[in-house]
Amino acid sequence: DAGITQSPRYKITETGRQVTLMCHQTWSHSYMFWYRQDLGHGLRLIYYSAAADITDKGEVPDGYVVSRSKTENFPLTLESATRSQTSVYFCASTGGRSQAEQYFGPGTRLTVT
Amino acid sequence: QKEVEQNSGPLSVPEGAIASLNCTYSDRGSQSFFWYRQYSGKSPELIMSIYSNGDKEDGRFTAQLNKASQYVSLLIRDSQPSDSATYLCAAQPSGGYNKLIFGAGTRLAVHP
Repeated sequence: DAGITQSPRYKITETGRQVTLMCHQTWSHSYMFWYRQDLGHGLRLIYYSAAADITDKGEVPDGYVVSRSKTENFPLTLESATRSQTSVYFCASTGGRSQAEQYFGPGTRLTVT
Repeated sequence: QKEVEQNSGPLSVPEGAIASLNCTYSDRGSQSFFWYRQYSGKSPELIMSIYSNGDKEDGRFTAQLNKASQYVSLLIRDSQPSDSATYLCAAQPSGGYNKLIFGAGTRLAVHP
């Protein structure tokens, strides 16, 4: 009963490098989401996906790319990391009565130097 | 801009007291509302969902929804030090495609 997992849990990278954060869920949830959480801003939606091969932008998509070739995986790529992308990244998926109840992964703490 | 507003706190209550956390939302078409608890360094954890006006109770937690006033609250009875965390309010906006809009959270501190 793994639920939703993220990897890596911690990552330090340099400015300009490409980095991919992984998200995997075992519930077969249709919807998956990527958020970043920064002090003073709360949770902000980066991208979301309604199903495999269907993705859409959230509130703060610039500098990020997503793909979803399989229902259970939703990787987030920073094509050329910047210091402003230092943050904690959470992946979530929906389930429950309203299909809007989101369940979060443990998060990835990313530091861009 | 659809928004969810919360007082950032900290809200400090003594052990055993009732903690009252409040949230307002701007999108009158929002239908579903959620409370998440987030311990420091951890991910948000869903603790309550509420979909209709009135109260919903689950153990020591009661969620209250007033759509006319666009107001959601969470009451925690018999507060314990283990309840010390940040509480996030979230609303599903109209036409939201299962997206949620989160408030910035209220930090609760329960002192012995």
